Amino acid sequence: NAGVTQTPKFQVLKTGQSMTLQCAQDMNHEYMSWYRQDPGMGLRLIHYSVGAGITDQGEVPNGYNVSRSTTEDFPLRLLSAAPSQTSVYFCASSEGVTNTGELFFGEGSRLTVL
Amino acid sequence: GNSVTQMEGPVTLSEEAFLTINCTYTATGYPSLFWYVQYPGEGLQLLLKATKADDKGSNKGFEATYRKETTSFHLEKGSVQVSDSAVYFCALGSSNTGKLIFGQGTTLQVKP
Repeated sequence: NAGVTQTPKFQVLKTGQSMTLQCAQDMNHEYMSWYRQDPGMGLRLIHYSVGAGITDQGEVPNGYNVSRSTTEDFPLRLLSAAPSQTSVYFCASSEGVTNTGELFFGEGSRLTVL
Repeated sequence: GNSVTQMEGPVTLSEEAFLTINCTYTATGYPSLFWYVQYPGEGLQLLLKATKADDKGSNKGFEATYRKETTSFHLEKGSVQVSDSAVYFCALGSSNTGKLIFGQGTTLQVKP
């Protein structure tokens, strides 16, 4: 009963390093997304995908890349980490578009950029 | 554009107290409205939702009514428990974009 699985749970990077946050779901959901959570700002959408091979930008896409080669996986890449990217990142999925349906969230990945 | 505004926290209550967390929204079209809850160290999970005006969502003793005339979706519970301590997020599902927009979250702490 895995749902949405994110790895790693914690990561510390130095400025300029790159890394990939992994996200996998086993519910055959078409829609997947990445959010970042910052104090006082709620959740902000970074990138999303409505199906394999299709991705689009959210509210705060700069500094991040995504790809969707399979229905199950939706990795988030930080190209050159900056201290402003210190945050908690959540991957979420749903059956279809999210305006009326339920989003299922992973447990989050806490990233610190020094 | 579409937006969600929640009351600022933290909200601190004693066990069995009445809870209200205010949420108002701005939207075009006919959005769906949601409350999500985040327990410590976990991801968000759906608490309740309402998809049209005057609908009432309810779950685990929590309720919220979709009020189009006041553009509000306030969360209420008659008697809170220590286990309700969490961060609560109001969210709007935009019928234009198909995306969810979250409020900033309200931290609830319930003391025994």
